Amino acid sequence: QSALTQPASVSGSPGQSITISCTGTSSDIGSYNYVSWYQQHPGKAPKLMISDVSNRPSGVSIRFSGSKSGNTASLTISGLQADDEADYYCSSYTRSSSLFVFGAGTKVTVL
Amino acid sequence: EVHLVQSGAEVKKPGESLKISCKGSGYSFTSYWIGWVRQMPGKGPEWMGIINPGDSDTRYSVSFQGQVTISADRSISTAYLQWSSLKASDTAMYYCARPQRAMRAYDAFDIWGQGTLVTVSS
Repeated sequence: QSALTQPASVSGSPGQSITISCTGTSSDIGSYNYVSWYQQHPGKAPKLMISDVSNRPSGVSIRFSGSKSGNTASLTISGLQADDEADYYCSSYTRSSSLFVFGAGTKVTVL
Repeated sequence: EVHLVQSGAEVKKPGESLKISCKGSGYSFTSYWIGWVRQMPGKGPEWMGIINPGDSDTRYSVSFQGQVTISADRSISTAYLQWSSLKASDTAMYYCARPQRAMRAYDAFDIWGQGTLVTVSS
């Protein structure tokens, strides 16, 4: 069982916006702004999309944005495109001895 | 360009030992920690541990402490992940990854290796 809870799947039509939630606890998301989001296409390594809750690394589309409220972080993808179809994982630093935790992932389907 | 290149896929039997590698290029190897991440088939990633190649300071997730050993040889810009006695449950893809910021152990990973598939089966 992953430490961070994500919905198993989210879908949307091209051009729409979708939001993926990531729920943790006061030991991780609730206490630190070290939340990141990764995109993973089948057979590929994860790609960093958002770091520090809402920062976009160089080269990542502005259609991807992140936010946090309390123990829950969110990733929003606007203007959904076919290539956005992938698995998305959230991650957070934690004060527990695990040090970093990931979610189980959300499969995004573009209808 | 910054790259992390990992060693190739391995097929091993339970009880055997294994050491996989991750070679960094295109940046100052000793300025960035290197982490290891496990991803079991169909599952989310798991943070295993991280090493500072400059002084070999190593931190492990409690789930992996004592199960694996992380090391590095800065003279050849290479980090390692090793097992002394593999189990079938070690079957997974293993990634090395570099944190975004120099000298930061606890940070998002922005550079990833291509992954090394380890299969443990009798």
